[in-house]
Amino acid sequence: DGGITQSPKYLFRKEGQNVTLSCEQNLNHDAMYWYRQDPGQGLRLIYYSQIVNDFQKGDIAEGYSVSREKKESFPLTVTSAQKNPTAFYLCASSMAGPVPFNNEQFFGPGTRLTVL
Amino acid sequence: GESVGLHLPTLSVQEGDNSIINCAYSNSASDYFIWYKQESGKGPQFIIDIRSNMDKRQGQRVTVLLNKTVKHLSLQIAATQPGDSAVYFCAEIRSQGAQKLVFGQGTRLTINP
Repeated sequence: DGGITQSPKYLFRKEGQNVTLSCEQNLNHDAMYWYRQDPGQGLRLIYYSQIVNDFQKGDIAEGYSVSREKKESFPLTVTSAQKNPTAFYLCASSMAGPVPFNNEQFFGPGTRLTVL
Repeated sequence: GESVGLHLPTLSVQEGDNSIINCAYSNSASDYFIWYKQESGKGPQFIIDIRSNMDKRQGQRVTVLLNKTVKHLSLQIAATQPGDSAVYFCAEIRSQGAQKLVFGQGTRLTINP
């Protein structure tokens, strides 16, 4: 079955540690995205990548880093520089191309990160 | 600044009634709008989309209306069922610059038996 997977579903980390969240898709999508969601809030864009080996900062990139070495993978590292990392993290992917065609974003199940 | 927002953070309806969830946007350059449904602890799921050259689009039990004059978007759910309980987000893509989705805050829909 095609889809997006994120692991782990729940993640705990001690303050000051870096942690990497996994995101994999087998939809053959060019574009991938990372969002952060806080309780009762909408989604805020952290980083996005339109093509392999290229990525851009979103609205709240500080304290985060990404890589896009493979089309199907877009891992997100939450660094110790992120002051308030406890949140629900969502990965998404979509076909790249001219707006407004084929821009539906498919979301993974999310990873809930808690900093202790 | 420009934003995508929702008029109401919560909406309660009786089972079987129709639900209407509203969304306002401020950027007239937006080309494409999507409604997502997010159940607790899960990622958002695509419900329906609409392009800026359309006023209305219908799906199964859902209808999206776009009023470009007042920059307003609505999602109508017919015969609301318990499984419709979720948070609903509208999102827009602005074709100028990077093609990024901008999400609204969300509306929590609860169904009363």
